[in-house]
Amino acid sequence: DAKTTQPPSMDCAEGRAANLPCNHSTISGNEYVYWYRQIHSQGPQYIIHGLKNNETNEMASLIITEDRKSSTLILPHATLRDTAVYYCIVRVRAPNAGGTSYGKLTFGQGTILTVHP
Amino acid sequence: KAGVTQTPRYLIKTRGQQVTLSCSPISGHRSVSWYQQTPGQGLQFLFEYFSETQRNKGNFPGRFSGRQFSNSRSEMNVSTLELGDSALYLCASSPDTLAWGEQYFGPGTRLTVT
Repeated sequence: DAKTTQPPSMDCAEGRAANLPCNHSTISGNEYVYWYRQIHSQGPQYIIHGLKNNETNEMASLIITEDRKSSTLILPHATLRDTAVYYCIVRVRAPNAGGTSYGKLTFGQGTILTVHP
Repeated sequence: KAGVTQTPRYLIKTRGQQVTLSCSPISGHRSVSWYQQTPGQGLQFLFEYFSETQRNKGNFPGRFSGRQFSNSRSEMNVSTLELGDSALYLCASSPDTLAWGEQYFGPGTRLTVT
């Protein structure tokens, strides 16, 4: 699985957009970009994923560069409850993928996002 | 729809003992994965089960094992506990196999080995 690089920490003011970058320069063609977050003492929460087009859902937007070597997760109006560790993960997403090396979620150290009043 | 549930939430065991943790996936989900989270190593994948078969395995010793039942509920077992097994054990369920579906995590079981 391709490796990701994220800044260890970021700050954001409440109500402002939080832009979390992720570098995945070794991503291969069949690997998707996934974002999860983990609020203190809870299990990780799925946020969004994408392949090469920008994606948006009720939680966030995902912007993937044209060469797919980096991406940005955008929380449009951050709240205090968005304070969490954000993980950027790349992994194969394919139906009926066999073998033991596909599909595992490999978490890095993530970015600690602190939203302050 | 109820989320992923894990029991027990907290557990204290002594070195050398064994422990069994339980996970009930979201209704209709067929894939269950297990992860270990420690401050030093972060989140690490243990294994995945789909239709009662282990489909994927991480780099953990054989003391860590699991199984899945016909109703998709899963258990993981750790034998001969070591101090380093103290961790938060997370279970995640997915509608399909690990490679396809998004995963939804439970709250975890906090295991302390003394």
